[in-house]
Amino acid sequence: EPEVTQTPSHQVTQMGQEVILRCVPISNHLYFYWYRQILGQKVEFLVSFYNNEISEKSEIFDDQFSVERPDGSNFTLKIRSTKLEDSAMYFCASSEDGGRYGYTFGSGTRLTVV
Amino acid sequence: LAKTTQPISMDSYEGQEVNITCSHNNIATNDYITWYQQFPSQGPRFIIQGYKTKVTNEVASLFIPADRKSSTLSLPRVSLSDTAVYYCLVGTINDYKLSFGAGTTVTVRA
Repeated sequence: EPEVTQTPSHQVTQMGQEVILRCVPISNHLYFYWYRQILGQKVEFLVSFYNNEISEKSEIFDDQFSVERPDGSNFTLKIRSTKLEDSAMYFCASSEDGGRYGYTFGSGTRLTVV
Repeated sequence: LAKTTQPISMDSYEGQEVNITCSHNNIATNDYITWYQQFPSQGPRFIIQGYKTKVTNEVASLFIPADRKSSTLSLPRVSLSDTAVYYCLVGTINDYKLSFGAGTTVTVRA
């Protein structure tokens, strides 16, 4: 079964540093997403990306965040100047045709800001 | 987005059928109902999606009454590995985002 691959699985960074979380979506999928889940809380939408541009973003996704699809396979989330409250699991997801056949999520990157 | 309400938790035993009902009174005409499963420290996993009546796949069945104001996810003969959080989501097929609630924590005991 095709998978969404995320690296690294764990990332520890110091407050104020920049981090880049990487994702390889399923190869024939056209829609890409980032979600996050703070420990013990709900899964929250951050951003969706289609046709090389952001389709929608949440209030969480402020100027501190950016996404990029630098080549035909990777999809990255950059967090500039990390804060303690950015500590969370970050999930990448992709879908073939919007939500018609469901989204496939990766296993996540656990980001810890110290 | 239609608001959904589902039980916070459910307990079951191996081999039993588990039915989780989700209320979505404000569901819109174009909305579909989708269920996801999440294990600890893993991303949500798509289980099943439906619009009306009944949908069945190799994992679960989804029952949707005619008024579509609720839906029931049925997990047949659960095992310990089905212990997870189950989310009911309502939205259009072309929604660019999913809105997760607190979900239902299902605990399967031996």
